[in-house]
Parts: sequence; C-alpha cells; structure tokens
Amino acid sequence: EVQLLESGGGLVQPGGSLRLSCAASGFTFSSYAMNWVRQAPGRGLEWVSAISGSGGTTYYADSVKGRFAISRDNSQNTLYLQMNSLRAEDTAVYYCAKGPSGVGWLRPNFDYWGQGTVVTVSS
Amino acid sequence: QSALTQPASVSGSPGQSITISCTGTSSDVGGYNYVSWFQQHPGKAPKLMIYEVSNRPSGVSNRFSGSKSGNTASLTISGLQAEDEADYYCSSYTSSSTLYVLFGGGTKLTVL
Repeated sequence: EVQLLESGGGLVQPGGSLRLSCAASGFTFSSYAMNWVRQAPGRGLEWVSAISGSGGTTYYADSVKGRFAISRDNSQNTLYLQMNSLRAEDTAVYYCAKGPSGVGWLRPNFDYWGQGTVVTVSS
Repeated sequence: QSALTQPASVSGSPGQSITISCTGTSSDVGGYNYVSWFQQHPGKAPKLMIYEVSNRPSGVSNRFSGSKSGNTASLTISGLQAEDEADYYCSSYTSSSTLYVLFGGGTKLTVL
C-alpha cells in the first residue's frame, strides 16, 4: 500500500525557515517523480515544486523560486522541501504527491497524496 | 501565469449528470493531453479521478469521465450521488518555461 506521510510544519515568523519531509512507502520511490502542492486556507490548490526520480531535475513555481528548494533521499525514501524567507502568503497546507515514472514524468498524474502538513507564517 | 478557468460552482440532483469545464490555452490544456482532475472533500487530501484527459485510475467509478476539445477540458459525472459533493480541480501540464503544472481555481459541486 502506497503511503506518504508529511511532517515538519508549524508556526514560523516572517523571514524564517522550515524544512518539510515526506516519508514514502509501498512503491519504488526512486522510480517516481515527486511533487509538493499547497493549499492556502479557503483557497484552491497551487503546485509548488517537482523533482525527477533521480533528483537531477527540479522545477519551481514562480511564487517560491529562489526561496524554496526541493530534494530527495532515495536511500531513505524521503522527499524534502526547504523553505526559506517565508512570507505570510506561504501559509498553507503542504501536500506531497506522487507523480508518474519514466521519461514523461512532467505530467500532473498525482495518484497518491499525503495527508498534508500545516505551515503558518505569522508574527 | 494564470490558473486554468473553472466555474465556481455547479449543482445537480441525484441521478442527474453534470459537466465541469476547465479552460486554458494552447500552451497547456489545448497543447497537450496531460489534463488531470482531482476530487477533494472538506479537510481531506485531493484524489486523482482522471488523468491524461480521459483515463480513470483503478478504483475510480466509471460514472466519472473526461474529455477535451480545443483549449477546454471537461469532467462529466453521471448518475450523481450524494458522496460526489466535493470540490473538483483540473490541472494541466504547461509549456511555460517557469511553470510545470497549472491548477484550475476549483469547482464546488453541490448535490441537491
């Protein structure tokens, strides 16, 4: 059974940093692209970042580029999101989502999602 | 880049069919068959209902179907049931150099 378990959320002041983790199980982690998607309170879904199965290629939304960094440890089956220079508008539930495998991994076929971790940026 | 355009809300009675539209551009919805649809119940994580325009993941009811014409994708739910009441989001690959995935703003489905 595929499971994704996020952790690392919390309350942080503007300008602060947080590192989110997503522990994966039930599939060959290194074979699949992984993504972070967030949802601000009462708002819709916003794609944040993606990383290829090998970790060699990453993509970011304009809203987080230069402040967030996605990475993965395939030996530990874990996905990360390092968030720096946090702003109030980064307040959201952050989900990790499993993407497709193979060459065509740039597809929004997000077939499994974690339960989310809450990030609140406030003074 | 702007989000994909969805109606804010749709409604239908049990047993009826409804369709939710998702309008983009030739750089996303119209240019690629990489459109997905997600269902989200309050307080829950999204669930993939349709991928690559019209494919259903294993376990998703065949009451859900997807299609695309030009720059607009559509999700149709037939035989509406009470448990279908949820928010629905479309998403698409985009060829923008700075983005990879766009989401629609979401559509609230109410089963009357």
